[in-house]
Amino acid sequence: EPEVTQTPSHQVTQMGQEVILRCVPISNHLYFYWYRQILGQKVEFLVSFYNNEISEKSEIFDDQFSVERPDGSNFTLKIRSTKLEDSAMYFCASSELGADTQYFGPGTRLTVL
Amino acid sequence: DAKTTQPTSMDCAEGRAANLPCNHSTISGNEYVYWYRQIHSQGPQYIIHGLKNNETNEMASLIITEDRKSSTLILPHATLRDTAVYYCIVGYTDKLIFGTGTRLQVFP
Repeated sequence: EPEVTQTPSHQVTQMGQEVILRCVPISNHLYFYWYRQILGQKVEFLVSFYNNEISEKSEIFDDQFSVERPDGSNFTLKIRSTKLEDSAMYFCASSELGADTQYFGPGTRLTVL
Repeated sequence: DAKTTQPTSMDCAEGRAANLPCNHSTISGNEYVYWYRQIHSQGPQYIIHGLKNNETNEMASLIITEDRKSSTLILPHATLRDTAVYYCIVGYTDKLIFGTGTRLQVFP
């Protein structure tokens, strides 16, 4: 069964450093998403992406964040200058169509020191 | 997107049916009811969704009331591996708004 994969599983970085989290969505899916979950809190929507453009983004997704589909398979989330409060699990998801069932990856645990 | 209300936690004996309720009294006509679950800190896992009719798949059944203001997710024979947080999400946009869900504990 096809699945969303994410790398790395755990990323540790120093405050102020840039990080790139990588995702490989399910191959025939056209819509891509990032969510995050701070420890003990709700899963929060960050951004949706379709046709090489951001479709929607939340208030959390400020200028420090960017997304890219650099090739036909990867979907990345970049945080330019990490803050302590960026420490969280980051989940990538994909769906075949918009407003359709989303399938999530296993997540990347980001720890900012 | 409509707001949902779920019990904070529930218990279920292994092998028995787990019935997880969800209230969504402000649901609008176009909005689907989605159920996801999250085991520990793993990625949310899709379970089932529906619009008006009851739905069943290999994982669960979804019963939606006629007025669509509430629904019930049924896991017919719960196992220990079904212990998780279950989220009822209502909407039709391309973003999922997660609440706090129901923590289901399946015990032997």
